[in-house]
Amino acid sequence: DAKTTQPPSMDCAEGRAANLPCNHSTISGNEYVYWYRQIHSQGPQYIIHGLKNNETNEMASLIITEDRKSSTLILPHATLRDTAVYYCIVRANSGGYQKVTFGTGTKLQVIP
Amino acid sequence: GAVVSQHPSWVICKSGTSVKIECRSLDFQATTMFWYRQFPKQSLMLMATSNEGSKATYEQGVEKDKFLINHASLTLSTLTVTSAHPEDSSFYICSASDGPPNQPQHFGDGTRLSIL
Repeated sequence: DAKTTQPPSMDCAEGRAANLPCNHSTISGNEYVYWYRQIHSQGPQYIIHGLKNNETNEMASLIITEDRKSSTLILPHATLRDTAVYYCIVRANSGGYQKVTFGTGTKLQVIP
Repeated sequence: GAVVSQHPSWVICKSGTSVKIECRSLDFQATTMFWYRQFPKQSLMLMATSNEGSKATYEQGVEKDKFLINHASLTLSTLTVTSAHPEDSSFYICSASDGPPNQPQHFGDGTRLSIL
């Protein structure tokens, strides 16, 4: 199963775009890239996911490199409520068994 | 959107007792459910994956006799921590998925377990 690496922490000014990188250099062809965030003492919240193409929804944009070895989550206009730990994970089926591994995540601090 | 309800949200009990945590998918059928454990300031650690109607697949190092998982229906999975001890104190989180890897997992709000 592919593992992911992320910077441990990042700061972003309120109102600016937050760009959170993720490296998944061992990702295989059938593995999806997912992003979640976790606010203290709560369960993770789904943000966005993709396989090969860039994706956008009401929360964020996901940019996946052509070789799929890395991706970037973009929060276009960060607010104080976006302060959280952001996790990038990969997910696939393997013989009917789904494997999901969380990395250490990036602690994003949005600064007023 | 998809909602996963986890109960209880907080439990404190004496060492040696067993504790059951429920995870319910409220508005979708969860073919697969995942159980995680999270220690303070650490990431989520996958404990086991269960598909409805079959035995759970446990991660290496997780004792299946200690952490009993039942996924008897498409909307309910339970985790029972048997003979709990202080070192089992942790934040336990479940998630549920209604399909293959192109469908997101949805997480419950977690259960904080404290064993005295």
